[in-house]
Amino acid sequence: EPEVTQTPSHQVTQMGQEVILRCVPISNHLYFYWYRQILGQKVEFLVSFYNNEISEKSEIFDDQFSVERPDGSNFTLKIRSTKLEDSAMYFCASRRQGAGEQYFGPGTRLTVT
Amino acid sequence: EDQVTQSPEALRLQEGESSSLNCSYTVSGLRGLFWYRQDPGKGPEFLFTLYSAGEEKEKERLKATLTKKESFLHITAPKPEDSATYLCAVQAVGSGGGADGLTFGKGTHLIIQP
Repeated sequence: EPEVTQTPSHQVTQMGQEVILRCVPISNHLYFYWYRQILGQKVEFLVSFYNNEISEKSEIFDDQFSVERPDGSNFTLKIRSTKLEDSAMYFCASRRQGAGEQYFGPGTRLTVT
Repeated sequence: EDQVTQSPEALRLQEGESSSLNCSYTVSGLRGLFWYRQDPGKGPEFLFTLYSAGEEKEKERLKATLTKKESFLHITAPKPEDSATYLCAVQAVGSGGGADGLTFGKGTHLIIQP
């Protein structure tokens, strides 16, 4: 069964550094999403991406965040200058045309020190 | 602002003891309501989608129902492997079209004791 994959599984970085989180969505899916979950809190929407552009973004997704689909298979989230409060699990999700459900990857645990 | 409230926060059951989890929602226009299962340190795993009041979906020991204000996840004769956090999420009709993000509740942490 096709799955969303994410790399790395765990990333440790210093405050102020740039990080890139990578995702490979399910191959025939056209809608892509990033969410985050701070430890012990609920899953929060960051951004959605369709047809090579951002469709919707939350208040959390400020200028330090960006997304890109550099090729036909990868979908990335870049955080330009990490802060301590960016420490969280980051989940990528994808959805196919005509269906409502989003399928989530296993997540990348980002630790900012 | 879209809101999702789940209750109880935690539930401990004996194996075989049936119960229900509640998800109350406030949304300007509901595109869909989703149930996910999340195991510790893992991503949410899709269970059900419900689109309109009166709709029901069933899978093994789980059954999801939807009204205009809330959804229930009924678990019948649960087993220890059903232990997980169950998340409810809504997708509202918004400016992003079908690409709108999900609004999640905090989840119900379910423990099934043998």
